[in-house]
Amino acid sequence: AQKVTQAQTEISVVEKEDVTLDCVYETRDTTYYLFWYKQPPSGELVFLIRRNSFDEQNEISGRYSWNFQKSTSSFNFTITASQVVDSAVYFCALFKRTGANNLFFGTGTRLTVIP
Amino acid sequence: EAGVAQSPRYKIIEKRQSVAFWCNPISGHATLYWYQQILGQGPKLLIQFQNNGVVDDSQLPKDRFSAERLKGVDSTLKIQPAKLEDSAVYLCASSSYDRATNEKLFFGSGTQLSVL
Repeated sequence: AQKVTQAQTEISVVEKEDVTLDCVYETRDTTYYLFWYKQPPSGELVFLIRRNSFDEQNEISGRYSWNFQKSTSSFNFTITASQVVDSAVYFCALFKRTGANNLFFGTGTRLTVIP
Repeated sequence: EAGVAQSPRYKIIEKRQSVAFWCNPISGHATLYWYQQILGQGPKLLIQFQNNGVVDDSQLPKDRFSAERLKGVDSTLKIQPAKLEDSAVYLCASSSYDRATNEKLFFGSGTQLSVL
């Protein structure tokens, strides 16, 4: 069975601080994809990154960086120099490749950046 | 590129009433999904269409929920009759079909349903 755990329910940081959002996943599939989505107050889910299970190379995109460690089944997301516009709920998700397409979402982490 | 359109944005109904949501996916996207997001939880897949055929509806409460995608474009999701526990945000998403590399889904802004 697939499962995604985001242990941090809410995080508050002061603007310009760095913050890391944790994501731990479980799957028996050998091929899978991991995602991070941002959900601002408007409600729409915004795609941030996709990583497949064979690619453990970390990625940096501007102020965002992702650390994928297959050995610990973790896919953590770091925002450097946080800004007020980063305030949102962030979801980690696992896509299982076998069977019908499906994304399994974690329960989300609400990030509040205080000016 | 236009995004996934959903309407209405908000809906308030009383329990046992019926309600319908509409979704217009991104043009050319063969795959359409309906997700239910209860407050404090991640989105849960209700149903997935490939063109106008159902790929996965294993988590759809079929005694009260129904969905259709006529002509493989727009889709409607209906709840009849609604229960209090149906209060949630209903998200529609679409993607271009590729079972091997379904890279990302494009989500609409959702319909926030409150059942009183």
